[in-house]
Amino acid sequence: QSVLTQPPSVSAAPGQKVTISCSGSGSSTGINYISWYQHLPGTAPKLLIYDNNKRPSGIPDRISGSRSGTSATLGIIGLQTGDEADYYCAIWDNNLSAWVFGGGTKLTVL
Amino acid sequence: EVQLVESGGDLVQPGGSLRLSCAASGFTFSIYWMHWVRQAPGKGLEWVSLINSLASATSYADSVKGRFTISRDNTKNTLYLQMNNLRAEDTAVYYCARESAGGTSFDYWGQGTLVTVSS
Repeated sequence: QSVLTQPPSVSAAPGQKVTISCSGSGSSTGINYISWYQHLPGTAPKLLIYDNNKRPSGIPDRISGSRSGTSATLGIIGLQTGDEADYYCAIWDNNLSAWVFGGGTKLTVL
Repeated sequence: EVQLVESGGDLVQPGGSLRLSCAASGFTFSIYWMHWVRQAPGKGLEWVSLINSLASATSYADSVKGRFTISRDNTKNTLYLQMNNLRAEDTAVYYCARESAGGTSFDYWGQGTLVTVSS
């Protein structure tokens, strides 16, 4: 069974850089792709990163994703107040035949 | 433009039933796998269920298995979630989401519909 662990919160000043970690356990986390989502409660979540490090059309290149073994990292540079949101990583778990989300990280732009 | 619009959320008593709908437009609905994901108040995103493009395969989170049923009507471009024997812990905003063509992410989401289970 996959478990994805994220820090509950991170913060940084406008214009600065922040990273959000997603640490995985379970056999699927070393094999399957990680995706990242931005979510403002009450709105539709938005896909930011897929296949560990690819950006969908329309996502700016100040947002990046990386992967090392069973861990993944979301990076945002040039922080803006509009980046304040909750961020989630997700992965498909082969054994559960289920998708698993990390617990979410609240980003505060001070 | 891809659009997913959920409806059917309501206040329901414990043990009751509800059917959610998700109307899809702007893409060829019949070739995509679809999902339901929920967010309980103050909690994170939780995957609920998936259905493949032909409705021949489904999967459920353990928390809803045996109580919820996902289905789709490709002639109406609509995804459904039938929820029976509802519990207080099912209270959440329910989102429908499209699985990407590569099957590795959720590339489009709806705005969600609120289900409240309370007496």
